[in-house]
Amino acid sequence: EIVMTQSPATLSVSPGERATLSCRASQNVNSNLVWYQQKPGQAPRLVIYGASTRATGIPARFSGSGSGTEFTLTISSLQSEDFAVYYCQQYNNWPRTFGQGTKLEIK
Amino acid sequence: QVQLVQSGAEVKKPGASVKVSCKASGYTFTTYALHWVRQAPGQRLEWMGWINAGNGDTKYSQNFQDRVTITRDTSASTAYVELSSLRSEDTAVYYCVRDDGYWGPGTLVTVSS
Repeated sequence: EIVMTQSPATLSVSPGERATLSCRASQNVNSNLVWYQQKPGQAPRLVIYGASTRATGIPARFSGSGSGTEFTLTISSLQSEDFAVYYCQQYNNWPRTFGQGTKLEIK
Repeated sequence: QVQLVQSGAEVKKPGASVKVSCKASGYTFTTYALHWVRQAPGQRLEWMGWINAGNGDTKYSQNFQDRVTITRDTSASTAYVELSSLRSEDTAVYYCVRDDGYWGPGTLVTVSS
């Protein structure tokens, strides 16, 4: 199965600053990658699909890039509501697999 | 609007089985596949399997070694996941997820003697 590896495990950033989260796939997944945001006690919420397309209702400060095996989620100017855990997931191959998550915390 | 309503929390003993339901509304049930994903306390998300709600085809994660079965009832617009031979490590929140990334609220399953 494809192993998804996210880095860093925890990212401490001040509000208003930029955050860059990384996700690496052990094999080529083309652009078949999504990013989810999860807050404590809540179900995940789709942020990005197709590696770079924002989901409905997601602010423009969120952007995704990459293809193949290297992907990035960038949040350009962090707002308080953005602090959460972010997961990447590939949907190119079965089984679908998730990264271990990056916790974005307030510095 | 789209809703995925899941069944309530369950407490099971080791060795038992659990069946969690996911009732869809606000769209035509057969037009979207559904996945089941679980999350143990403090752990990452874990994909369990998938069902094509239209024709009933399924795919499963080998991590569950044939313990998982996903079914659907199109007349009730409901999908189900059943996990057998439960052990303490199966304690988790179980989510149904529409193929386009819309998540249900989750169902807590606790396995304890």
